[in-house]
Amino acid sequence: SQQGEEDPQALSIQEGENATMNCSYKTSINNLQWYRQNSGRGLVHLILIRSNEREKHSGRLRVTLDTSKKSSSLLITASRAADTASYFCATLDSNYQLIWGAGTKLIIKP
Amino acid sequence: DVKVTQSSRYLVKRTGEKVFLECVQDMDHENMFWYRQDPGLGLRLIYFSYDVKMKEKGDIPEGYSVSREKKERFSLILESASTNQTSMYLCASSDRNTIYFGEGSWLTVV
Repeated sequence: SQQGEEDPQALSIQEGENATMNCSYKTSINNLQWYRQNSGRGLVHLILIRSNEREKHSGRLRVTLDTSKKSSSLLITASRAADTASYFCATLDSNYQLIWGAGTKLIIKP
Repeated sequence: DVKVTQSSRYLVKRTGEKVFLECVQDMDHENMFWYRQDPGLGLRLIYFSYDVKMKEKGDIPEGYSVSREKKERFSLILESASTNQTSMYLCASSDRNTIYFGEGSWLTVV
């Protein structure tokens, strides 16, 4: 698998603030997904955005995709303590290789 | 929605035991994967299968085997569990464009 890049690696914000995480990749893709992983738990699929989409919303989540810059961002609005987790982007490139970011560790302070 | 189900979420096994991790997907995907996730090492591919009874070694196949007797089921087998196989194991399935992960199986070998 290839390593994508996420930034920041860690993010600590106050409850109620917005959190933005970014993900970059190197090859062409058909879609990109964001996952959440709570400490000691498995993966939870959050949202999928296709390569022909620029923005997608799901509840308090907003994902953008810029294929020209090969990057995506995940915005969580009005953060809550329960949003504390690690967030990963994942996709398959044209050779079936998994591109998997190192993750952003998000901490929401009460 | 695609569902990738890993039957065992948390297991504790003894050194030398044979361990089976089961994974089932309900989307008729041809491709299925087993990864392990370790802190600081990201996701590492153990084995993948692109059809029934077909398997390919990934990056770290040593100490593992797999079985794909039916399209929907992909099993990971630890022939003789060792403490360095303590990890979180993730199953995934994919179509041509999108990879879907299960929630993960936490294995502790004592």
